Amino acid sequence: DQQVKQNSPSLSVQEGRISILNCDYTNSMFDYFLWYKKYPAEGPTFLISISSIKDKNEDGRFTVFLNKSAKHLSLHIVPSQPGDSAVYFCAANVDELWAGKSTFGDGTTLTVKP
Amino acid sequence: GAVVSQHPSRVICKSGTSVKIECRSLDFQATTMFWYRQFPKQSLMLMATSNEGSKATYEQGVEKDKFLINHASLTLSTLTVTSAHPEDSSFYICSAAKGGATDTQYFGPGTRLTVL
Repeated sequence: DQQVKQNSPSLSVQEGRISILNCDYTNSMFDYFLWYKKYPAEGPTFLISISSIKDKNEDGRFTVFLNKSAKHLSLHIVPSQPGDSAVYFCAANVDELWAGKSTFGDGTTLTVKP
Repeated sequence: GAVVSQHPSRVICKSGTSVKIECRSLDFQATTMFWYRQFPKQSLMLMATSNEGSKATYEQGVEKDKFLINHASLTLSTLTVTSAHPEDSSFYICSAAKGGATDTQYFGPGTRLTVL
């Protein structure tokens, strides 16, 4: 049973527009969520996180929204840039203190077209 | 910054041999290091958590005798794939956490293992 799901394996958007990446989870014990960006043959880079006590966290062009009742979170990138093209992983933790013990989704490949 | 390196970046070995992958935190002390495995077009899978000076904690389904982890110091953890087989071919990524309440992990660049 996959506890963290990213149902869209790929997403293509035009430069300057909004990119919305979605993530659903099933484990109600998850209380800390993270988004990572990954280029081919590189390790993931941490982007942004959100604790379950919040419903929104913003950092520059990146905003993460959390809907606990729906067990859904999303990452918004505005405006999208070609350099944002990468694989984005959603991750969830049961304990914020152990950020490394994450359960990852399968990733969504974002392509931003110039 | 918080930089994590891995060595080697790419390794090809024959079936039956053992391969050691090093993970180093270059500019910070890592209380905890994590080892992940990624299959093509699949997600990262946590293999084990290692704390300096103690035995690693392996995730369910990961063979501890197959994947030996040693966290010898606060800046170095090693993963040894013993008696490697073609099905062990994968991309192995480590991450390191400084420790504390906001335990952000920093990932290494990964090691591509190909077992012939």
